Amino acid sequence: GQQVMQIPQYQHVQEGEDFTTYCNSSTTLSNIQWYKQRPGGHPVFLIQLVKSGEVKKQKRLTFQFGEAKKNSSLHITATQTTDVGTYFCAGPRGGADGLTFGKGTHLIIQP
Amino acid sequence: DTAVSQTPKYLVTQMGNDKSIKCEQNLGHDTMYWYKQDSKKFLKIMFSYNNKELIINETVPNRFSPKSPDKAHLNLHINSLELGDSAVYFCASSQTGSGNTIYFGEGSWLTVV
Repeated sequence: GQQVMQIPQYQHVQEGEDFTTYCNSSTTLSNIQWYKQRPGGHPVFLIQLVKSGEVKKQKRLTFQFGEAKKNSSLHITATQTTDVGTYFCAGPRGGADGLTFGKGTHLIIQP
Repeated sequence: DTAVSQTPKYLVTQMGNDKSIKCEQNLGHDTMYWYKQDSKKFLKIMFSYNNKELIINETVPNRFSPKSPDKAHLNLHINSLELGDSAVYFCASSQTGSGNTIYFGEGSWLTVV
C-alpha cells in the first residue's frame, strides 16, 4: 500500500531558529496535506497542496510540493513557543476514502 | 459548535471489559473514520464508513466493531479490552472521496489497566 515517510521524527530548536520537516511518498500524489497537533490536542488541517512545484505561505510557514508530486516540505521561520507540536503530512489513500499520515515530526522548542 | 464531537474524552478501564466511544459530526459529511494514535503519535486508520458501507482495515482485531446509526454518527465498540488497546482514538469525518480534508474530533484517551 501507499506509504508516506516523514523526517525527522524529532526536532529540537532554540526559539527563533528555523525548522523544516520533510515528507516523501512512494507514489505520485494528487495532493498532499499538512496537519498540526498541539500537545494534548487533535490534528488540525493547515493546508493542501495540489499543483506540481506549488509553494504556499501562511505567515512564518512555507509549504512546498515537489515537481514530481512525491515529496513535500514545511518550513517554519523564526520559531515561536506557539509552534510546539507534531506536524503531519498526509496523502490520499489511493482510491479509498481518508488519508495516509506520515509518522509526524515532533517540534520541541527550547526558550 | 463543535464540528466533530466524541465522548468520553478520558476512559480508564480494566482488561477484559467492553467499552464504547461515541462520535457525532455536524459538518454534513458522508464519510466518517476512526483513527488510532499510539504512544509514539503514529496515526493509523482503523475504519472508514460511507453511507452504510464499512471499510475495515484488516489489521484491526475483530474485537473492534464500529456502528453507524446514521451518517452523522459513528460509534466504536471494543470487546475484551487488552493492555495494548491503550491509545488515543480519534473520530473524524470528510467529504466522500480520496484525499479530502479530514476533520478530527478531540480524541478519546483510553487507558486499559
